[in-house]
Amino acid sequence: ETGVTQTPRHLVMGMTNKKSLKCEQHLGHNAMYWYKQSAKKPLELMFVYSLEERVENNSVPSRFSPECPNSSHLFLHLHTLQPEDSALYLCASSQETGGGTEAFFGQGTRLTVV
Amino acid sequence: AQSVTQLDSQVPVFEEAPVELRCNYSSSVSVYLFWYVQYPNQGLQLLLKYLSGSTLVESINGFEAEFNKSQTSFHLRKPSVHISDTAEYFCAVSDTGFQKLVFGTGTRLLVSP
Repeated sequence: ETGVTQTPRHLVMGMTNKKSLKCEQHLGHNAMYWYKQSAKKPLELMFVYSLEERVENNSVPSRFSPECPNSSHLFLHLHTLQPEDSALYLCASSQETGGGTEAFFGQGTRLTVV
Repeated sequence: AQSVTQLDSQVPVFEEAPVELRCNYSSSVSVYLFWYVQYPNQGLQLLLKYLSGSTLVESINGFEAEFNKSQTSFHLRKPSVHISDTAEYFCAVSDTGFQKLVFGTGTRLLVSP
């Protein structure tokens, strides 16, 4: 148990569906992140939230929409995805976004777009 | 821009043998360096990190890594591996903070009896 919980663990969705990924952290951290992990590629940072404010958006397509209603919860809303969006989506949290800060990762949501 | 290179995508070793996982980085400024481990069907866990001070850092489970500024490397080593060390290992670099963390492509360590 890392203190960061992601649901669901697995998700299969069609290209016209709308779904949401959920992340919850019980560590009292004030920064949360979404990463995309694809086979044979480095982890890609998608979004960063610090104190519930989005501070980073790495040119992610608009079909991915993050939401951070409070410092403990982070969502990733998905709509009209493409097959190349199939990947493992990892949520992470840290106490702050400063240098050298340790991040704690959830187990990820394995997303398959059909 | 920063980048991280992990040349070995997969490293097979026998149990109790030593292992080295290579990591090279490029950056024009001072960096922080990390090794994360990902066990099957799990998220990433921090294994060890270099922020400043001693260039040799150790983890609680016997891994160590040495920061070599002249060679821009941060190789991970363990003198004797166990079956349970089978996992994927990611090297990462950051300068201004975690949100700028850049990961390598990972090295899969396969330990066999």
